[in-house]
Amino acid sequence: QKEVEQNSGPLSVPEGAIASLNCTYSDRGSQSFFWYRQYSGKSPELIMFIYSNGDKEDGRFTAQLNKASQYVSLLIRDSQPSDSATYLCAPWGYSTLTFGKGTMLLVSP
Amino acid sequence: DAGVTQSPTHLIKTRGQQVTLRCSPKSGHDTVSWYQQALGQGPQFIFQYYEEEERQRGNFPDRFSGHQFPNYSSELNVNALLLGDSALYLCASSSGGGNQPQHFGDGTRLSIL
Repeated sequence: QKEVEQNSGPLSVPEGAIASLNCTYSDRGSQSFFWYRQYSGKSPELIMFIYSNGDKEDGRFTAQLNKASQYVSLLIRDSQPSDSATYLCAPWGYSTLTFGKGTMLLVSP
Repeated sequence: DAGVTQSPTHLIKTRGQQVTLRCSPKSGHDTVSWYQQALGQGPQFIFQYYEEEERQRGNFPDRFSGHQFPNYSSELNVNALLLGDSALYLCASSSGGGNQPQHFGDGTRLSIL
């Protein structure tokens, strides 16, 4: 049984701060890792993916992967109120995604 | 360039009925995956279609079935609806036989009375 663990939150940060979202996974066969953002009542939107150990930066977002520790994280710099959403971690393996329950992020002005 | 489109957007059914949900993948995508998302939960994988065949299946009963057509569009059928089937049903498409990032449609909100 593949498991993906995320702190459900909410994680509250002030505008302009760095938000750190964490995820652990059980399936060592996972090959790549996706972060989706989901606004309330909307569908998930792909924001980042990472395949290799280390960091990957895209604008204000940085994904970090440590396969030995089975840990992946997402950092959001200069957080904005519009970043308030649920962030879903999804390891990919065997052509399928396994989602965690997501972490709710609240950015206050 | 249209993204993933799903229909209908909302649906209300009663217990025991059957429902069909539809999905058109993003242009250039050949693989369609279906997910069920209950309130407060992450999406749960139902199954994936590639080359008109079910390639992978999650832990869902046989009441859930699907189909993929030659134009890559797909249907999800659910028979003998239960109250617990109330959820947001999401379709995601990808290219390369599923070996690329998945992009989601807006979903179908299914309510069972």
